[in-house]
Amino acid sequence: AQSVAQPEDQVNVAEGNPLTVKCTYSVSGNPYLFWYVQYPNRGLQFLLKYITGDNLVKGSYGFEAEFNKSQTSFHLKKPSALVSDSALYFCAVRDDSGAGSYQLTFGKGTKLSVIP
Amino acid sequence: EAQVTQNPRYLITVTGKKLTVTCSQNMNHEYMSWYRQDPGLGLRQIYYSMNVEVTDKGDVPEGYKVSRKEKRNFPLILESPSPNQTSLYFCASSLSPRGTDTQYFGPGTRLTVL
Repeated sequence: AQSVAQPEDQVNVAEGNPLTVKCTYSVSGNPYLFWYVQYPNRGLQFLLKYITGDNLVKGSYGFEAEFNKSQTSFHLKKPSALVSDSALYFCAVRDDSGAGSYQLTFGKGTKLSVIP
Repeated sequence: EAQVTQNPRYLITVTGKKLTVTCSQNMNHEYMSWYRQDPGLGLRQIYYSMNVEVTDKGDVPEGYKVSRKEKRNFPLILESPSPNQTSLYFCASSLSPRGTDTQYFGPGTRLTVL
């Protein structure tokens, strides 16, 4: 079975500092990895995904994520945080192995607070 | 504008009163899915549909029904809602069921069952 862990319920960072939101995964085959962001009273917005190729993936709003196969991680990063980045962030994984692997499994979410 | 829409956005109801939450997408997507979001649990899949007339259970299907009679619509039906179904519900769609395809989410429906 596939699973995702976001080890931090909340991350606080000062505006202008770099931010990292952590994600680790477990799959049988190769992973397809996604990051979504949820602003208050809004739906989930797609940020970026890793399918194959370059381990550093660039996405929307200046975010990027680094895929590390040996550590089974896919941490979300941004060089300089903005107050407007404050939101709930979800990591999600799909497994490419086997029939019926259509499920997208989400982590429990990490609340990011950027302090002015 | 390409989007997934849900109605209603907010709903307060009483135990046992049947309700339907509608979901519609205008992107000609094959794959559609329903999730519920609860604090500390993230998003959990309720049902999904790989195409018209093809639906299957996700992780938490108990107490829910779905139908997919048209490609664009995927309503979620609660025949006899109970308080433990109080949650935030999201509909999502993607071009196909392929693992590489991005799912796009609706704005959510906040349901309270008294």
